[in-house]
Amino acid sequence: NAGVMQNPRHLVRRRGQEARLRCSPMKGHSHVYWYRQLPEEGLKFMVYLQKENIIDESGMPKERFSAEFPKEGPSILRIQQVVRGDSAAYFCASSPTATNYGYTFGSGTRLTVV
Amino acid sequence: QKEVEQNSGPLSVPEGAIASLNCTYSDRGSQSFFWYRQYSGKSPELIMSIYSNGDKEDGRFTAQLNKASQYVSLLIRDSQPSDSATYLCAVEDTGRRALTFGSGTRLQVQP
Repeated sequence: NAGVMQNPRHLVRRRGQEARLRCSPMKGHSHVYWYRQLPEEGLKFMVYLQKENIIDESGMPKERFSAEFPKEGPSILRIQQVVRGDSAAYFCASSPTATNYGYTFGSGTRLTVV
Repeated sequence: QKEVEQNSGPLSVPEGAIASLNCTYSDRGSQSFFWYRQYSGKSPELIMSIYSNGDKEDGRFTAQLNKASQYVSLLIRDSQPSDSATYLCAVEDTGRRALTFGSGTRLQVQP
């Protein structure tokens, strides 16, 4: 049973480009969470999604960031017009139910903006 | 702003000793508490969860919870060099379906 799969593992973008981060949850998990970890900091919640629904995006920056979890395919975190401050590790987690917080995290995508 | 506070360390202990990691939180309504281990450059790995006051033991790990004092701790017995990592305390955010993480305590186990 594969774990949470994230790709790419590393992503380099120039300022102003778009970054697309993908996350496939564990089999049987329909709840997906995105967290961001800035260097030397803890993880910060960004968004919680279920299939075709954004449940809570209170941690998402108001501009340039969006997330989706379509009926088919992985969840996507999209960052438009990236800036240097977006450089971070982005982790996706999944859970089988809405009240299970014992997340399994994916290996993360490390975004570097140059 | 809900907060989870941890001493950043590093906490240095000799091999075989007990490592004690502490965490305090601000959200009095939280009912779920977790410890994650994160090796440098890797993703966080869940090692303990605790929901009730008292102690919960799993192998060399013991989690302790005191809701009245709003603190959670993790004890690692017989510490090994392979335990050297950053330990993240995470607390349920009752305002939304998410976890609030502390910034982590870096543990160094000296051989």
